[in-house]
Amino acid sequence: EDQVTQSPEALRLQEGESSSLNCSYTVSGLRGLFWYRQDPGKGPEFLFTLYSAGEEKEKERLKATLTKKESFLHITAPKPEDSATYLCAVHSGAGSYQLTFGKGTKLSVIP
Amino acid sequence: GAGVSQSPSNKVTEKGKDVELRCDPISGHTALYWYRQSLGQGLEFLIYFQGNSAPDKSGLPSDRFSAERTGGSVSTLTIQRTQQEDSAVYLCASSLTRSELFFGEGSRLTVL
Repeated sequence: EDQVTQSPEALRLQEGESSSLNCSYTVSGLRGLFWYRQDPGKGPEFLFTLYSAGEEKEKERLKATLTKKESFLHITAPKPEDSATYLCAVHSGAGSYQLTFGKGTKLSVIP
Repeated sequence: GAGVSQSPSNKVTEKGKDVELRCDPISGHTALYWYRQSLGQGLEFLIYFQGNSAPDKSGLPSDRFSAERTGGSVSTLTIQRTQQEDSAVYLCASSLTRSELFFGEGSRLTVL
């Protein structure tokens, strides 16, 4: 059974204080790892897809990296508008098209 | 609109009643998914539709849950004889590829 564990559950940062969020996964044949951002009362918004170890993707202040067992979402010099819950999900060959999601990391960036 | 539309946004019902949740996907998206998000839990896969193929119902938690997709577009998720543990946010997503899912804002269901 695919498993996704995200840490920490919550993270408070001062504006400009860089940090990383972790996503550890156990799957039978990774077909893709996904990062989503979710604002309160909204549906998740797609950020990145990573397919193989060593791959990196960047978007503004965010950079996602992937190893064989985990992924990191690095946030450089965050701003208050980066405050949200960040979700990690995996797609494996075991299921059809379903994604297995972690419980998320709630990020708060304080001005 | 350009995004995935879900209705109602909020639904309060009494235990034992049936509810219907509607999803209008992005035009042209062939894949449609339903997920459930309970408080403190990750998103839980419910069902997947792809074009005219038979849906993947492997995530439906019980036979009280069913879903249909008419004309390859609008989908309805039906929960019969609702229970308190059905209280959650039900999210619909559509996509052209497996990579990027576009989610609606969800339907929050509260069963009293």
